[in-house]
Amino acid sequence: DAMVIQNPRYQVTQFGKPVTLSCSQTLNHNVMYWYQQKSSQAPKLLFHYYDKDFNNEADTPDNFQSRRPNTSFCFLDIRSPGLGDTAMYLCATSRAGLETQYFGPGTRLLVL
Amino acid sequence: AQTVTQSQPEMSVQEAETVTLSCTYDTSESNYYLFWYKQPPSRQMILVIRQEAYKQQNATENRFSVNFQKAAKSFSLKISDSQLGDTAMYFCAFMKNFGNEKLTFGTGTRLTIIP
Repeated sequence: DAMVIQNPRYQVTQFGKPVTLSCSQTLNHNVMYWYQQKSSQAPKLLFHYYDKDFNNEADTPDNFQSRRPNTSFCFLDIRSPGLGDTAMYLCATSRAGLETQYFGPGTRLLVL
Repeated sequence: AQTVTQSQPEMSVQEAETVTLSCTYDTSESNYYLFWYKQPPSRQMILVIRQEAYKQQNATENRFSVNFQKAAKSFSLKISDSQLGDTAMYFCAFMKNFGNEKLTFGTGTRLTIIP
């Protein structure tokens, strides 16, 4: 089945230790998104790729970076995680012009 | 900027009953899309239903239907014959017309179906 896959599902890291989260998709969608969802809150868009074009939200901290080496994969890099970065990170994809976004299961990140 | 408001943080209903979740939004756009997403305790976000603002007819998907009132900027979700598997967090979301891919979510309604 076509799907959005996120690895790892759970990640524990130390304060200030870089971490990378992975997203892959078999839907062949050209748009990929990263959302941050803190406990009991709505998902908040961090950035998205439209093909190879990177679109950063104005209020996304510089600490968060992303890479998209090919259509299928997208990575979220947190360069120096702080305690406030503890959250669920959701990857989503869509085909431009079709609006509907399809979400992966998320990576739950805990920063100690 | 667009805002989405869900005024019911939590709701519960008996199995097989009908429940309506409320959502209002604020926008100056005339063309846009509205969505209801479901996030069960396993936490994968799933699309429940979508509505194009230019369509007057309310969207329906099996037991799920919406009441879209464009002038009032209201977009409620009705779940008929509720089932235990409907227990989840429900998010209402807004997207401007093609050209801006950003989803703006409401704060969610936690729905519990009681056996």
